[in-house]
Amino acid sequence: EAEVAQSPRYKITEKSQAVAFWCDPISGHATLYWYRQILGQGPELLVQFQDESVVDDSQLPKDRFSAERLKGVDSTLKIQPAELGDSAMYLCASSSGLHRGTQYFGPGTRLTVL
Amino acid sequence: DQQVKQNSPSLSVQEGRISILNCDYTNSMFDYFLWYKKYPAEGPTFLISISSIKDKNEDGRFTVFLNKSAKHLSLHIVPSQPGDSAVYFCAASSNTGNQFYFGTGTSLTVIP
Repeated sequence: EAEVAQSPRYKITEKSQAVAFWCDPISGHATLYWYRQILGQGPELLVQFQDESVVDDSQLPKDRFSAERLKGVDSTLKIQPAELGDSAMYLCASSSGLHRGTQYFGPGTRLTVL
Repeated sequence: DQQVKQNSPSLSVQEGRISILNCDYTNSMFDYFLWYKKYPAEGPTFLISISSIKDKNEDGRFTVFLNKSAKHLSLHIVPSQPGDSAVYFCAASSNTGNQFYFGTGTSLTVIP
């Protein structure tokens, strides 16, 4: 069964350092999402791509966060510099776009900023 | 402002009984709703969805009910099994936007 891949699974960094997360969506899925989930809360959308184009990045803190999906396949989310409040689970999801809402999530990257 | 709310952080149910998880929303433009299940250290897994043109959708042991006038939906699991123990998130979207809004989740424990 096809899955969304994410790496690393866990990342510990010190504040002011740069971190990067990688996501490989299910093959053929044109839509890719990055979510942030703080402990005890639901996932919050950071950025949505349709192929290589950003569809929605209104919730992305652009002073420190950036995301790219250069060839419309895999994607990278970067934080520079990391802050203590960035500690969270970062989830990637993809969908074919054929059925609204059927997003398939990866296992996530657990970020701890010290 | 939280547009999708799950007011019960946790729920415990005996194996074989019915589990009812509730979700409320505030945005009357929401017309598509989903439930996701999440095990520890894994990403959420899509469970079931419902469009606002329906008031019920069933898939095996899982049934979602939608009450548009009350802006309320619920997920029924019958019969509950220990493997159903997980965190359940409801999510909602409107056809005017791209974003899905998630609730804060309800942790279900099914006691053998």
